[in-house]
Amino acid sequence: KAGVTQTPRYLIKTRGQQVTLSCSPISGHRSVSWYQQTPGQGLQFLFEYFSETQRNKGNFPGRFSGRQFSNSRSEMNVSTLELGDSALYLCASSPTSGGWTGELFFGEGSRLTVL
Amino acid sequence: AQKITQTQPGMFVQEKEAVTLDCTYDTSDQSYGLFWYKQPSSGEMIFLIYQGSYDEQNATEGRYSLNFQKARKSANLVISASQLGDSAMYFCAMSRGQGAQKLVFGQGTRLTINP
Repeated sequence: KAGVTQTPRYLIKTRGQQVTLSCSPISGHRSVSWYQQTPGQGLQFLFEYFSETQRNKGNFPGRFSGRQFSNSRSEMNVSTLELGDSALYLCASSPTSGGWTGELFFGEGSRLTVL
Repeated sequence: AQKITQTQPGMFVQEKEAVTLDCTYDTSDQSYGLFWYKQPSSGEMIFLIYQGSYDEQNATEGRYSLNFQKARKSANLVISASQLGDSAMYFCAMSRGQGAQKLVFGQGTRLTINP
């Protein structure tokens, strides 16, 4: 069974640019969550999508957005990049939303460097 | 607001010894979930164990057990018979309600197993 796939794995951008990261969940999983990991702030929840609808949102500015497609694949976009957006962006999937007490299946992440 | 505190930035343990990783949490919710994840250098988060706030028995998964002390608001991870492959970052996390999608993570503990 294929795991969660995130692309690209590494990317370098400059301040002011925008970036789009992609996440393909495990087949059959309908919930996709995104997390940002930085040395200073640690792991922080960005948002969760279920059946193409945003279910939860973390405390991030509007420059961070996401969406989910009918096949459950998800993308997140960061516009007007800042140096502080340099981070590992992790995507996680689960079969359902709300009440799921099993594991979140994480991808290996997309490491973004902003210069 | 929910908060997770992991007070051990790093731990060094001899192979085959048992190790306890500390985690305390703060929440005003009655219903919540507690999780432990392992993050090797590859970046992928690997689920280890889950404990629901209403579960009376401590959770166990193979060599992993969660020492849940609700009154003290602690959820320590115990790894029995440590192995070299256990060297990694370990994160304690909690969810609001029993759901697993929106997690609040601690800062993590870097565990190093010495041969």
